[in-house]
Amino acid sequence: KAGVTQTPRYLIKTRGQQVTLSCSPISGHRSVSWYQQTPGQGLQFLFEYFSETQRNKGNFPGRFSGRQFSNSRSEMNVSTLELGDSALYLCASSLYEGRDYEQYFGPGTRLTVT
Amino acid sequence: AQRVTQPEKLLSVFKGAPVELKCNYSYSGSPELFWYVQYSRQRLQLLLRHISRESIKGFTADLNKGETSFHLKKPFAQEEDSAMYYCALSGRRETSGSRLTFGEGTQLTVNP
Repeated sequence: KAGVTQTPRYLIKTRGQQVTLSCSPISGHRSVSWYQQTPGQGLQFLFEYFSETQRNKGNFPGRFSGRQFSNSRSEMNVSTLELGDSALYLCASSLYEGRDYEQYFGPGTRLTVT
Repeated sequence: AQRVTQPEKLLSVFKGAPVELKCNYSYSGSPELFWYVQYSRQRLQLLLRHISRESIKGFTADLNKGETSFHLKKPFAQEEDSAMYYCALSGRRETSGSRLTFGEGTQLTVNP
C-alpha cells in the first residue's frame, strides 16, 4: 500500500508570493491533517479536513488555508509569504477523524522563503 | 488548552543502558497520549499509544494521570534506537478531531 505522498518535496519562494502544497493520502483514508515543523516552534497543527470539510484549525493567520477534494487529496495554500513561513510542512492521513485512528505522515514539503 | 512538555532536548546513553524519555502534559479532560519516532531520513511514525498498552521495539510507556506524565522507557537501549522522539496528545474527537499536540522532541543518541 502506497504511503502518504507530498508534492513538491522542496520549494523556494520569495516574500510576498503565494504557494500551494499538495498531499495525497493513503488510499481509502478520508482525514487529512497538516502540520508546520520549525526548529523554534516544533510541530504545530495547521488544520484538518474530513469529507471535504475543515474540521479543526490551529492558531495560524488567515494567510494559511486549505481544501480537500472528493478523492480526499488535500492542498494547502499560503498567501503573501513571510520569511517566518520557512518550514517543513507535513501532511498526515487517517482512515477517519478522531484519535482512535492512526495517523500516517508524509515525507513533508520543505519551503524556503527568501 | 492542551500542552505537552519534553524537558530534555538531547539524551545520550550507552548501548545496553536503560533509557527514559520524559513527557508531561496538561489537558482538562481525558487525553490520549502517543509517542512518535523519526529515524534519520525517515518520516514521522507512530511508536506506541497508551490505550493499546503494547510494547513496541522493547519500549513501554505508562500514563500517570496523577503526575500527568507519559514517560517512554526501555530497559536496554540499542544503537538503532537513536532517533528523534516526540510525545503527542489528542483530545476528544468532538472538540479536537484528529488534532495532535506535540512536545518539542527529544533527540536520543545511543552510543556503542
